[in-house]
Amino acid sequence: DSGVTQTPKHLITATGQRVTLRCSPRSGDLSVYWYQQSLDQGLQFLIQYYNGEERAKGNILERFSAQQFPDLHSELNLSSLELGDSALYFCASSVHLDRVYGNTIYFGEGSWLTVV
Amino acid sequence: AQTVTQSQPEMSVQEAETVTLSCTYDTSESDYYLFWYKQPPSRQMILVIRQEAYKQQNATENRFSVNFQKAAKSFSLKISDSQLGDAAMYFCAYMEWGAQKLVFGQGTRLTINP
Repeated sequence: DSGVTQTPKHLITATGQRVTLRCSPRSGDLSVYWYQQSLDQGLQFLIQYYNGEERAKGNILERFSAQQFPDLHSELNLSSLELGDSALYFCASSVHLDRVYGNTIYFGEGSWLTVV
Repeated sequence: AQTVTQSQPEMSVQEAETVTLSCTYDTSESDYYLFWYKQPPSRQMILVIRQEAYKQQNATENRFSVNFQKAAKSFSLKISDSQLGDAAMYFCAYMEWGAQKLVFGQGTRLTINP
C-alpha cells in the first residue's frame, strides 16, 4: 500500500459526460501528480500541484482540469468525454524537492475510466 | 526533451534464474534521478528501486539491483533469483532534479517460467 488513495476505482460513463476523479496523497506529501496510462500513449504526465498551486503541466487536454484543495487532496475533472479518454488515471504524490527521499513519487492504484 | 528507451518489449526467465532489463535515456542534465517501477496485472505502479545520478554506487534492494552507467546513459535492472511474483510490466523512468515530472519508457513485460 503506497498510502495514496484514489476514488473511484472503476467508472463507466457515456461520451459527452463529465467525471471527477479524487485523490488523497500520502500523509505529509505536498506534491500531487496526475498521470494517464492508455494503450497507445503509454504513461503520460498530465499535471502537478504543490501545496495548492499548479507547478507543472504536461500533456493535459483543455477539456481536463485539476485542483488541489487546502487539505491537500486533489481532483481531476474530465469533461466532454470522448472514447479516446478511456484510460487508467493515476494519482501520485511525493515530498517536494527532497534530497533525502530523492523526489520519489508514489502512485495510487489508479482509476479505470471507460467511456462508451 | 528527455527520452527513455526500453528496447526489450518482452523478456522471459526461468524461476530462480537471473534476468536483466535494459534502459537507456537521453538528457543533457547532470542532476537527475532514475527509477524502475513494476506494474503487475493489478495495474498498480510499485516502486522497485531508485538511483541518484550524483551517486556512483549502484542501488540495491534485496534481489533487485541496477547497473548505472552515467556516461553511457544506461540504467539496467537485474533481478536475481526470479520469483513467480516478479512477473509484471517493468517501467524505467527519469526525473530531472527540480522538474517534478517522471518520463517513462514504454515498458518491458517480464514473464517468469516455472
